Parts: sequence; C-alpha cells; structure tokens
Amino acid sequence: NAGVMQNPRHLVRRRGQEARLRCSPMKGHSHVYWYRQLPEEGLKFMVYLQKENIIDESGMPKERFSAEFPKEGPSILRIQQVVRGDSAAYFCASSLRQSRSGNTIYFGEGSWLTVV
Amino acid sequence: DQQVKQNSPSLSVQEGRISILNCDYTNSMFDYFLWYKKYPAEGPTFLISISSIKDKNEDGRFTVFLNKSAKHLSLHIVPSQPGDSAVYFCAATLKTGANNLFFGTGTRLTVIP
Repeated sequence: NAGVMQNPRHLVRRRGQEARLRCSPMKGHSHVYWYRQLPEEGLKFMVYLQKENIIDESGMPKERFSAEFPKEGPSILRIQQVVRGDSAAYFCASSLRQSRSGNTIYFGEGSWLTVV
Repeated sequence: DQQVKQNSPSLSVQEGRISILNCDYTNSMFDYFLWYKKYPAEGPTFLISISSIKDKNEDGRFTVFLNKSAKHLSLHIVPSQPGDSAVYFCAATLKTGANNLFFGTGTRLTVIP
C-alpha cells in the first residue's frame, strides 16, 4: 500500500530555470496539499487541490509558482525562473476527503530543491 | 508572521526520563492542535492531536496538554526512548477549515541512551 510518492527527491536547478515537482497521492485520495519548508523554518502551506480544481492557493507566491492536479496523473508544482530563495524542501500531502484535522493528512518524503 | 511558535530549537533528555516539548500560539481562532514527528529526509508523520474543547489527550507514552488561556500546549513523552529522537513540529488549524496547517519551527529532541 504505497504512501504519498514524490519525485524527484532531489533537484538542482540553475537560476532562471524551471523546476517541476511531482506528487502521486495515496491510492484513493483525491485531495492534495503542498507545503514548503525553508531552511530553519517550519512547514508553510502553499496550496490545496482536488482533482482538476485549485481549492485554496492562499499560500502560493503570487508569481512564478503554479500547481495542478489533473484528472489523470500526479499533482505538479511548477516553479518558473527559479531564484536562490526557492531552495527548500517541498512536501506534498494527501487525504481521502477534505481534512478537518491534520491527522488524516499523509505526507510524502519531500522534494529538496537546490537553486545554484 | 509566525502564529505557532516553538521557542526551543533543541532538547536533550536521558533515556527513561520525561521529554516536554512546548508550543505557543497567537491566533485564538485555532481550534485543533497537532504534533508531528519528523526524521531527517522524511515527511512529517502525525503523532497526536487535541481539540480546543479539551485540555488533555493521552495516547500511550504521549500526552498533549492544552492551556487555552495561555495559548500554550505541550507534548509529554514518558518514558523517553532513543527512537523518539527526531524533530517535533507543533501545528494548528482554524475553525474555518483544516486545509491549511500552521506549523511551528520544530524542536529537535535527542534522547541519550
């Protein structure tokens, strides 16, 4: 019973390139969340998606960041024209239904983005 | 604006003793609090939670206490075991929806054998 799968686990990009992070939720889960952890900080909410819909993107930076969760395939977090400040661990989580409490959210192992 | 704060970045405890991890919050609209445990290079895993209508929740060696008037919660681990060594994050959700977990910055617990 696979958990939340994220890839790549580690990604190095030069400034100005694009980064794509993928997340396959747990089987049967249709709700996906993306969190970012900057060095020395806690995780910060970015976006919440259901299949084909963005439900809450209040934590997404206004520019360069986008997320999708298509009908088929994984959720994608896309960062265009990366800058050094985007270097962080990006965690995806999924839940079976809209989670009223975080204990029904399952986190992936994270994708570490390094911008050089 | 850090609404959930963990002011101790690290804590060392002898095996068998009690570990107490603390967390403070500023938003009185938080209605559910959670603790997560995180090992290096892994995602957070849920440990224990408490609703704002309670002041204590216990699960085996783990107990969470909530003091709403002080906007403070703590996680007690007793007895502490070497396998408990990890980073512990406190998190909170709002009444309006739990899509958005507000995390603290974490406390690294080291249990010394």
